[in-house]
Amino acid sequence: NAGVTQTPKFQVLKTGQSMTLQCAQDMNHEYMSWYRQDPGMGLRLIHYSVGAGITDQGEVPNGYNVSRSTTEDFPLRLLSAAPSQTSVYFCASRETGFVETQYFGPGTRLLVL
Amino acid sequence: SQELEQSPQSLIVQEGKNLTINCTSSKTLYGLYWYKQKYGEGLIFLMMLQKGGEEKSHEKITAKLDEKKQQSSLHITASQPSHAGIYLCGADNTGFQKLVFGTGTRLLVSP
Repeated sequence: NAGVTQTPKFQVLKTGQSMTLQCAQDMNHEYMSWYRQDPGMGLRLIHYSVGAGITDQGEVPNGYNVSRSTTEDFPLRLLSAAPSQTSVYFCASRETGFVETQYFGPGTRLLVL
Repeated sequence: SQELEQSPQSLIVQEGKNLTINCTSSKTLYGLYWYKQKYGEGLIFLMMLQKGGEEKSHEKITAKLDEKKQQSSLHITASQPSHAGIYLCGADNTGFQKLVFGTGTRLLVSP
């Protein structure tokens, strides 16, 4: 199993540009989520999904859109990038129900100029 | 909202020394998760504690959750350079595993 994969690893955007961060998992996990990690702020939940076709907002959803058309994929879209969205983005997945382990991807480093 | 404070923010220890990292919650926890993040990489799950007074160990790392379920400590015995990284605690205070994370503790182990 590849686990949780994220692309790209690095990205530089100009203010106002749009892009999609890709996340995929091959563990047949229903639950997937997106976090951003900023210095001094820890990880903050952006959006999450409990299954295909079901998404919900996390702690910091503004400026981000998500959709979940398949179990495997959970892309994160930035419609109009802002410098405040410069961050490291992590995707995670886990089984449904109460489980101990949440699996994280390697992260995408995004710089918005 | 849930707040998690980790202390210390950073730590430099000599190889072979013991160390403790603390995570304090403003609310009672359904679950407390410890992760390790190597610099520039994703998070690796270490342990999860759920019951008050619970203690778990993995190799040289021991985590405890206090009786009131509002504070956890992570103890590393005889530290090694491989222990270096950022240690993050994550809390579930809803019962639905929507985790809130602390700001992390950066650990450096000097030879």
